[in-house]
Amino acid sequence: EAGVAQSPRYKIIEKRQSVAFWCNPISGHATLYWYQQILGQGPKLLIQFQNNGVVDDSQLPKDRFSAERLKGVDSTLKIQPAKLEDSAVYLCASSGPGTSGLGWEQFFGPGTRLTVL
Amino acid sequence: GEDVEQSLFLSVREGDSSVINCTYTDSSSTYLYWYKQEPGAGLQLLTYIFSNMDMKQDQRLTVLLNKKDKHLSLRIADTQTGDSAIYFCAELIRGNNNAGNMLTFGGGTRLMVKP
Repeated sequence: EAGVAQSPRYKIIEKRQSVAFWCNPISGHATLYWYQQILGQGPKLLIQFQNNGVVDDSQLPKDRFSAERLKGVDSTLKIQPAKLEDSAVYLCASSGPGTSGLGWEQFFGPGTRLTVL
Repeated sequence: GEDVEQSLFLSVREGDSSVINCTYTDSSSTYLYWYKQEPGAGLQLLTYIFSNMDMKQDQRLTVLLNKKDKHLSLRIADTQTGDSAIYFCAELIRGNNNAGNMLTFGGGTRLMVKP
Protein backbone atom coordinates (compact mmCIF):
# COMPACT_ATOMS: atom_id res chain seq x y z
CA GLU A 1 0.00 0.00 0.00
CA ALA A 2 1.46 3.38 -1.02
CA GLY A 3 1.95 5.92 1.74
CA VAL A 4 1.01 9.57 1.96
CA ALA A 5 2.71 11.52 -0.83
CA GLN A 6 3.73 15.17 -0.55
CA SER A 7 5.39 17.59 -2.90
CA PRO A 8 7.60 19.46 -3.14
CA ARG A 9 9.97 18.13 -0.49
CA TYR A 10 11.76 21.47 -0.15
CA LYS A 11 10.83 25.04 -0.99
CA ILE A 12 12.71 28.29 -0.48
CA ILE A 13 10.88 31.58 -1.03
CA GLU A 14 11.21 35.21 -0.04
CA LYS A 15 8.82 36.81 2.40
CA ARG A 16 5.61 38.13 0.88
CA GLN A 17 5.74 35.51 -1.87
CA SER A 18 3.14 32.77 -2.27
CA VAL A 19 3.64 29.04 -1.99
CA ALA A 20 1.51 25.91 -2.35
CA PHE A 21 1.97 22.39 -1.08
CA TRP A 22 0.30 19.26 -2.35
CA CYS A 23 -0.71 16.08 -0.55
CA ASN A 24 -2.10 12.79 -1.81
CA PRO A 25 -3.40 10.64 1.05
CA ILE A 26 -3.51 6.88 1.28
CA SER A 27 -6.17 5.51 -1.03
CA GLY A 28 -9.52 5.19 0.69
CA HIS A 29 -8.66 7.43 3.63
CA ALA A 30 -11.48 9.88 4.19
CA THR A 31 -9.73 12.09 6.73
CA LEU A 32 -6.81 14.33 5.82
CA TYR A 33 -4.77 16.57 8.11
CA TRP A 34 -2.23 19.34 7.61
CA TYR A 35 0.26 19.99 10.40
CA GLN A 36 2.90 22.67 10.84
CA GLN A 37 6.12 21.59 12.58
CA ILE A 38 8.43 24.43 13.54
CA LEU A 39 12.04 23.43 14.18
CA GLY A 40 12.42 21.99 17.67
CA GLN A 41 8.69 21.63 18.28
CA GLY A 42 6.03 18.99 17.84
CA PRO A 43 3.57 19.12 14.95
CA LYS A 44 0.61 21.44 15.37
CA LEU A 45 -2.66 20.75 13.58
CA LEU A 46 -3.62 23.41 11.06
CA ILE A 47 -6.68 21.90 9.40
CA GLN A 48 -8.59 18.63 9.21
CA PHE A 49 -10.81 17.48 6.33
CA GLN A 50 -13.39 14.72 6.33
CA ASN A 51 -13.85 13.90 2.62
CA ASN A 52 -14.10 17.37 1.04
CA GLY A 53 -15.46 19.15 4.13
CA VAL A 54 -13.52 21.01 6.80
CA VAL A 55 -13.88 19.48 10.27
CA ASP A 56 -11.48 21.71 12.20
CA ASP A 57 -9.56 24.77 11.05
CA SER A 58 -9.41 26.60 14.35
CA GLN A 59 -5.58 26.77 14.30
CA LEU A 60 -5.29 27.89 10.67
CA PRO A 61 -4.16 31.55 10.25
CA LYS A 62 -6.91 32.30 7.77
CA ASP A 63 -5.59 35.73 6.81
CA ARG A 64 -2.74 34.07 4.92
CA PHE A 65 -3.29 30.30 4.90
CA SER A 66 -5.88 28.43 2.87
CA ALA A 67 -6.46 24.77 2.12
CA GLU A 68 -8.79 22.82 -0.07
CA ARG A 69 -9.70 19.24 -0.83
CA LEU A 70 -12.18 19.75 -3.63
CA LYS A 71 -12.76 16.16 -4.71
CA GLY A 72 -12.21 14.59 -1.32
CA VAL A 73 -8.92 13.00 -2.32
CA ASP A 74 -5.77 15.12 -2.68
CA SER A 75 -5.35 18.47 -1.01
CA THR A 76 -3.40 21.69 -1.38
CA LEU A 77 -2.25 24.07 1.33
CA LYS A 78 -1.41 27.63 0.31
CA ILE A 79 0.33 30.49 2.07
CA GLN A 80 -0.13 33.98 0.65
CA PRO A 81 1.80 36.08 1.53
CA ALA A 82 4.48 34.16 3.43
CA LYS A 83 6.16 35.52 6.55
CA LEU A 84 9.50 34.61 8.07
CA GLU A 85 7.76 32.77 10.92
CA ASP A 86 6.10 30.41 8.41
CA SER A 87 9.44 28.61 7.99
CA ALA A 88 8.63 25.07 9.09
CA VAL A 89 7.98 21.54 7.87
CA TYR A 90 4.41 21.08 6.66
CA LEU A 91 3.23 17.54 7.26
CA CYS A 92 0.22 15.90 5.71
CA ALA A 93 -1.44 12.88 7.33
CA SER A 94 -4.44 10.73 6.55
CA SER A 95 -6.59 8.27 8.43
CA GLY A 96 -9.40 5.92 7.55
CA PRO A 97 -10.27 2.26 7.45
CA GLY A 98 -8.16 1.55 4.38
CA THR A 99 -6.52 -1.83 4.42
CA SER A 100 -4.22 -1.36 7.37
CA GLY A 101 -5.65 1.47 9.40
CA LEU A 102 -8.03 1.10 12.29
CA GLY A 103 -9.80 4.33 11.55
CA TRP A 104 -7.99 6.39 14.10
CA GLU A 105 -4.31 5.89 13.23
CA GLN A 106 -2.81 8.81 11.32
CA PHE A 107 -0.24 8.01 8.64
CA PHE A 108 2.19 10.82 7.90
CA GLY A 109 3.87 11.89 4.70
CA PRO A 110 7.55 12.95 4.56
CA GLY A 111 6.67 16.64 4.77
CA THR A 112 7.59 19.77 2.84
CA ARG A 113 10.35 21.87 4.36
CA LEU A 114 9.62 25.57 3.75
CA THR A 115 12.27 28.24 4.24
CA VAL A 116 11.13 31.85 4.07
CA LEU A 117 13.99 34.36 3.58
CA GLY B 1 -7.03 22.75 27.16
CA GLU B 2 -4.50 20.26 25.87
CA ASP B 3 -0.83 20.41 26.75
CA VAL B 4 1.69 17.61 26.29
CA GLU B 5 5.14 17.97 27.83
CA GLN B 6 8.35 16.04 27.29
CA SER B 7 11.97 16.45 28.30
CA LEU B 8 14.13 17.72 25.47
CA PHE B 9 17.05 15.35 25.42
CA LEU B 10 18.19 11.89 26.51
CA SER B 11 21.57 10.27 26.00
CA VAL B 12 22.23 6.57 26.60
CA ARG B 13 24.89 4.01 25.77
CA GLU B 14 24.22 1.27 23.24
CA GLY B 15 22.74 -1.78 24.96
CA ASP B 16 21.28 0.20 27.86
CA SER B 17 17.57 0.83 28.35
CA SER B 18 16.08 4.21 27.47
CA VAL B 19 13.07 5.70 29.23
CA ILE B 20 11.32 8.67 27.66
CA ASN B 21 8.67 10.39 29.74
CA CYS B 22 5.63 12.45 28.84
CA THR B 23 2.89 14.22 30.76
CA TYR B 24 -0.45 15.30 29.39
CA THR B 25 -3.33 17.31 30.80
CA ASP B 26 -6.53 16.26 29.02
CA SER B 27 -8.26 13.49 30.95
CA SER B 28 -10.58 12.74 28.02
CA SER B 29 -7.72 11.34 25.94
CA THR B 30 -8.73 8.02 24.40
CA TYR B 31 -5.47 6.88 22.85
CA LEU B 32 -1.88 7.84 23.55
CA TYR B 33 0.84 7.37 20.99
CA TRP B 34 4.58 7.29 20.59
CA TYR B 35 5.95 8.46 17.25
CA LYS B 36 9.54 8.34 16.01
CA GLN B 37 10.99 10.95 13.66
CA GLU B 38 14.33 10.45 11.99
CA PRO B 39 16.12 13.36 10.25
CA GLY B 40 14.34 14.46 7.10
CA ALA B 41 11.60 11.88 7.52
CA GLY B 42 7.96 11.98 8.48
CA LEU B 43 6.52 10.65 11.70
CA GLN B 44 6.45 6.89 12.17
CA LEU B 45 3.97 5.41 14.62
CA LEU B 46 5.90 3.19 17.04
CA THR B 47 3.22 2.07 19.42
CA TYR B 48 0.05 3.20 21.11
CA ILE B 49 -1.94 2.46 24.23
CA PHE B 50 -5.63 2.75 24.97
CA SER B 51 -6.47 4.96 27.89
CA ASN B 52 -8.01 2.06 29.82
CA MET B 53 -4.73 0.13 29.83
CA ASP B 54 -1.79 0.44 32.22
CA MET B 55 0.90 -1.23 30.19
CA LYS B 56 1.62 -2.46 26.72
CA GLN B 57 4.66 -4.41 25.56
CA ASP B 58 5.72 -4.74 21.95
CA GLN B 59 9.10 -6.44 21.42
CA ARG B 60 11.72 -4.00 22.77
CA LEU B 61 9.14 -1.34 23.56
CA THR B 62 7.19 -1.05 26.80
CA VAL B 63 4.61 1.67 27.31
CA LEU B 64 3.44 2.53 30.81
CA LEU B 65 0.41 4.71 31.45
CA ASN B 66 -0.45 6.26 34.81
CA LYS B 67 -3.81 7.79 34.13
CA LYS B 68 -4.16 9.23 37.62
CA ASP B 69 -0.96 11.26 37.21
CA LYS B 70 -1.47 11.70 33.43
CA HIS B 71 2.01 10.28 32.87
CA LEU B 72 3.11 8.20 29.90
CA SER B 73 6.50 6.57 29.41
CA LEU B 74 8.25 4.66 26.65
CA ARG B 75 10.98 2.20 27.57
CA ILE B 76 13.28 0.93 24.84
CA ALA B 77 15.21 -2.16 25.89
CA ASP B 78 18.68 -2.87 24.50
CA THR B 79 18.85 0.53 22.81
CA GLN B 80 20.70 0.52 19.48
CA THR B 81 22.35 3.33 17.51
CA GLY B 82 19.50 3.03 15.00
CA ASP B 83 17.13 4.13 17.74
CA SER B 84 18.67 7.61 17.68
CA ALA B 85 15.84 9.92 16.66
CA ILE B 86 13.28 12.33 18.07
CA TYR B 87 10.42 10.67 19.93
CA PHE B 88 7.04 12.38 20.22
CA CYS B 89 4.21 11.44 22.50
CA ALA B 90 0.73 12.43 21.42
CA GLU B 91 -2.76 12.20 22.81
CA LEU B 92 -5.91 11.64 20.79
CA ILE B 93 -9.35 12.81 21.65
CA ARG B 94 -11.82 11.13 19.35
CA GLY B 95 -14.68 12.86 17.62
CA ASN B 96 -17.68 11.10 16.11
CA ASN B 97 -16.95 8.55 13.37
CA ASN B 98 -13.26 9.53 13.43
CA ALA B 99 -14.10 13.04 12.28
CA GLY B 100 -12.94 15.76 14.61
CA ASN B 101 -10.15 13.60 16.08
CA MET B 102 -7.74 15.91 17.82
CA LEU B 103 -4.11 14.74 17.99
CA THR B 104 -1.89 16.88 20.22
CA PHE B 105 1.86 16.33 20.20
CA GLY B 106 4.53 17.00 22.77
CA GLY B 107 7.65 18.90 21.78
CA GLY B 108 9.69 15.75 21.27
CA THR B 109 12.62 14.12 23.08
CA ARG B 110 15.85 13.76 21.16
CA LEU B 111 17.39 10.37 21.95
CA MET B 112 21.10 10.02 21.31
CA VAL B 113 22.59 6.54 21.51
CA LYS B 114 26.34 6.38 21.96
CA PRO B 115 28.24 3.32 20.74
